[in-house]
Amino acid sequence: GAGVSQSPSNKVTEKGKDVELRCDPISGHTALYWYRQSLGQGLEFLIYFQGNSAPDKSGLPSDRFSAERTGGSVSTLTIQRTQQEDSAVYLCASSSGGGSQVRAQYFGPGTRLTVL
Amino acid sequence: AQSVTQLDSQVPVFEEAPVELRCNYSSSVSVYLFWYVQYPNQGLQLLLKYLSGSTLVKGINGFEAEFNKSQTSFHLRKPSVHISDTAEYFCAVSDGKLIFGQGTELSVKP
Repeated sequence: GAGVSQSPSNKVTEKGKDVELRCDPISGHTALYWYRQSLGQGLEFLIYFQGNSAPDKSGLPSDRFSAERTGGSVSTLTIQRTQQEDSAVYLCASSSGGGSQVRAQYFGPGTRLTVL
Repeated sequence: AQSVTQLDSQVPVFEEAPVELRCNYSSSVSVYLFWYVQYPNQGLQLLLKYLSGSTLVKGINGFEAEFNKSQTSFHLRKPSVHISDTAEYFCAVSDGKLIFGQGTELSVKP
């Protein structure tokens, strides 16, 4: 079946602009995660959605970052007033678990964001 | 708080040799452990997972890992590597979200 998909695959933007990154999880997966991968910081958790529960936003680095998940499926990560330090690969993952159930997370190919 | 340490940032090895990539974790609660592989310019692919049960876990591409609670380790092994195994490998522990180690770059030379 189809895996996790992300769009765009690459995004180049100018400092100060807003960007939106999209994630389509595996069909039927109730949990959705965003991570960021950068040279200096490695792989970092950003935000986690589980069903209809309030998202875990504990990894968002600043209030310029936000995410939503519509209809329990597609998610959009928005970065406002981008800065050069936001340049990274943004990875989305989904799993069939969540809450007290731990299941493997399956990752999309990522969106490479470059802020000039 | 949970954490993961990957002891080697780079591991060079010759083709057909065995390899072990080391991972130690810190956790005060139930332990759920994963290994992921990342090929250049690609996302993360799940290699194997330990959720419960047998401490020896077999994964894809001939890899296996052993959960050792007393040593808080989850080392990844393969008895004979191929050139195509050249990639970055990440160990992770889950508390709902994944907490990753810094990664080990495996370089297989002919």
